[in-house]
Amino acid sequence: ELKVEQNPLFLSMQEGKNYTIYCNYSTTSDRLYWYRQDPGKSLESLFVLLSNGAVKQEGRLMASLDTKARLSTLHITAAVHDLSATYFCAVEKSNYKLTFGKGTLLTVNP
Amino acid sequence: SQTIHQWPATLVQPVGSPLSLECTVEGTSNPNLYWYRQAAGRGLQLLFYSVGIGQISSEVPQNLSASRPQDRQFILSSKKLLLSDSGFYLCAWRQPTGELFFGEGSRLTVL
Repeated sequence: ELKVEQNPLFLSMQEGKNYTIYCNYSTTSDRLYWYRQDPGKSLESLFVLLSNGAVKQEGRLMASLDTKARLSTLHITAAVHDLSATYFCAVEKSNYKLTFGKGTLLTVNP
Repeated sequence: SQTIHQWPATLVQPVGSPLSLECTVEGTSNPNLYWYRQAAGRGLQLLFYSVGIGQISSEVPQNLSASRPQDRQFILSSKKLLLSDSGFYLCAWRQPTGELFFGEGSRLTVL
């Protein structure tokens, strides 16, 4: 059974600081996704990582994938309040099914 | 452009009552469709997925069922709701890149 673990689950940051969220998974997969969820809202796709060594960047967020280590990271640079949200990673199993991590609740404080 | 609609957005139901949540997709054909549930403060749990009309795969034994009567319609149902059925229900379709595109969600409270 595929297991996806995120850490930390809760992250409180100061504006302007950098931090990294980690996503580990238990079985081989070449596809990993990052999503953002604002309170009370649905999920919004952030990044699609489809191969080993893939790196994607959008604004202050950068995601990377190491399939050999079964690890993805979501790096936050110079955090701003607007980045406050819950971030999920998801790994694709067979038959096009995604397994999600528990999410990381990020709070960016002034 | 592709869009996905869910309704109702919010509902409050008594224990033992029936449930029907509907999801429709526009702008695509023969999509892979999914129902996920998010309990309060928790991650997403895959409930059902469908690769075509009448084809439903259940991931977790539970009080719910799903149907796909038309190519772009996916329905989540229950005959008798339990308290534990409360949660945020999300319908999604799979894009060619593999990522899921989610609907706005249906928030169910069972009292």
